Formats: sequence, C-alpha cells, structure tokens
Amino acid sequence: NAGVTQTPKFQVLKTGQSMTLQCAQDMNHNSMYWYRQDPGMGLRLIYYSASEGTTDKGEVPDGYNVSRLKKQNFLLGLESAAPSQTSVYFCASSYWAGGTNNEQFFGPGTRLTVL
Amino acid sequence: EDKVVQSPLSLVVHEGDTVTLNCSYEVTNFRSLLWYKQEKKAPTFLFMLTSSGIEKKSGRLSSILDKKELFSILNITATQTGDSAIYLCAVTNTGGFKTIFGAGTRLFVKA
Repeated sequence: NAGVTQTPKFQVLKTGQSMTLQCAQDMNHNSMYWYRQDPGMGLRLIYYSASEGTTDKGEVPDGYNVSRLKKQNFLLGLESAAPSQTSVYFCASSYWAGGTNNEQFFGPGTRLTVL
Repeated sequence: EDKVVQSPLSLVVHEGDTVTLNCSYEVTNFRSLLWYKQEKKAPTFLFMLTSSGIEKKSGRLSSILDKKELFSILNITATQTGDSAIYLCAVTNTGGFKTIFGAGTRLFVKA
C-alpha cells in the first residue's frame, strides 16, 4: 500500500516550458487535491477534484490546469512555467471531502524550480 | 476573506518542556479544524476537531477547539527532539473541499 505517490521528486524548468506533475493514490479515495507550499505561507490549494471526472479551482489556480480522468490519478499541468511557480507541490487525497472523514493524506512532494 | 493564523511562527524549547501552539481562524461555514505535523516531507495527520470543548489526545499531544472564540490549541508535553517539526493548522468549510492552511509553527526541541 504505497499511499499517495508523486512524480517527479525534483524538476528544473526554464521559463515558458510546460510540464505535468503526476499524482497517484491507491487508497480508493474519492477526493484529490493539489497544493503549493512556499516559505512562510503554509499550503495553498491550487485545484481539487471532489470525484473522478470533476475538478474545481482552489485559492491559486492561475497558470495551472488539472485533469482527473481516473479515480486514482490527478495530474497538474503548467502550461508556460514562470519563476513565480517555483515551489514545492503536494498532492493529497481524502476518502470523501464532503463527509466527516475528510483527513487528507499527502504525497512526498515535488520540488519545482523555474529559471 | 477566510484566514488561519498560527502563533508563534517559531519556537525553540528544551527537551522535557511543555509547549502550546495556537491557531485562530476566520472561515465562512466552518466544518472542521485539523492539525498536521510536517517533518522533512509530507504533512502527516494528527487531529481533527469539529466540536468545541472536546479534547483529543494522542500520547503526549492533545488539542482542543473553541468554536465561540474561533481558535484551537495544540499541546505537547514532555517534548522530545523527535517533536521538532512544522505544525500546521488547517480549517475546512462545510463543503469540505476548501481547506485553508495556516503558515505553520516551526518547533525546534533542543537535546
């Protein structure tokens, strides 16, 4: 039982490049989330997916896109990377965010640097 | 605007000390407050609080919520070096999807 996994662990991009961060969970969770963590700012929600096939914007969605085609996978895309997107990205999942059991399980993170 | 404010931002104590971490919030349609511990990588879940005045305990850690005053505290007794971490407080709204995190309290426990 791997929990939540993320690939890659580290990535360096040049301004304007695009890439996709991958997240997978094997806990049969319905809801998945993407956060970014910057120094002194805690975690900020980028996008979330309440269930397979649905996605919604979080607090800081600009410059990102997501897709949830399969229940176990949640992809985060950067269309045209900017230095302001340098951050640590965490994926998380929870059984069902709308219920009482909304504890989120986090992946190990992806450290992204945009030059 | 919804917000979660944690204090202090950082704290240095000696092994054996007791510490209290604070979390205050202003969130529309509050549902639950969660505490996480973040060491080197991913945050790991500690507690979820939904009702006022009911203490949750796990070993040397305990937490309580006051929904009238809109705050929670996390207590750690007899601290150990392994308690050194960032402690994150998060609040969810009634939909459950919108989770607002505080900036965290960085705790360092000296041997």
